[in-house]
Amino acid sequence: GQNIDQPTEMTATEGAIVQINCTYQTSGFNGLFWYQQHAGEAPTFLSYNVLDGLEEKGRFSSFLSRSKGYSYLLLKELQMKDSASYLCAVRDRVVNSGNTPLVFGKGTRLSVIA
Amino acid sequence: NAGVTQTPKFRVLKTGQSMTLLCAQDMNHEYMYWYRQDPGMGLRLIHYSVGEGTTAKGEVPDGYNVSRLKKQNFLLGLESAAPSQTSVYFCASSYSVGVLFFGSGTQLSVL
Repeated sequence: GQNIDQPTEMTATEGAIVQINCTYQTSGFNGLFWYQQHAGEAPTFLSYNVLDGLEEKGRFSSFLSRSKGYSYLLLKELQMKDSASYLCAVRDRVVNSGNTPLVFGKGTRLSVIA
Repeated sequence: NAGVTQTPKFRVLKTGQSMTLLCAQDMNHEYMYWYRQDPGMGLRLIHYSVGEGTTAKGEVPDGYNVSRLKKQNFLLGLESAAPSQTSVYFCASSYSVGVLFFGSGTQLSVL
């Protein structure tokens, strides 16, 4: 089975930096993904880590430590439009060369305040 | 390109009624998925398909059936709707790795 934990809610100030943590326990591992979901909308892909380390993409960065079962999403220079839910998702190891579906955490709702 | 299109966007059913949700993608993706999203529960996988003519169960398949007769379409059926199936349903497709493209969702209420 898989267990993915992330904080339920966070609040941060416009212009600041916020770190959203995700811990996971899986029987295997083949990648960790972050998605952004604005209220009333569909999730959209943000980032993907399969190896340890930091992946940077503009104001957003994602870090992975496979040995610790830990990832974080770092958002810099926060803007009001970053208010959204951030979903951590894990892909278990590939079975039968198929595309193993993602398992999502419950999401972290981020509120950016002025 | 429309991407992933779900129909309908909203639906209200009475307990015991049946309905089908349609998902269509124009990106030639092999893999398609149906998730439901409930407050405090996150996205949970109902069924998925790794190619035309194939389907597999996800985390919460009970009460649902699916079909993938054509590569571009993935149908989700509720044979006898129950109030516990009130949720937002998202269809998604992907070509690899886990980068999912989601439809805009269907808000379903079962009274």
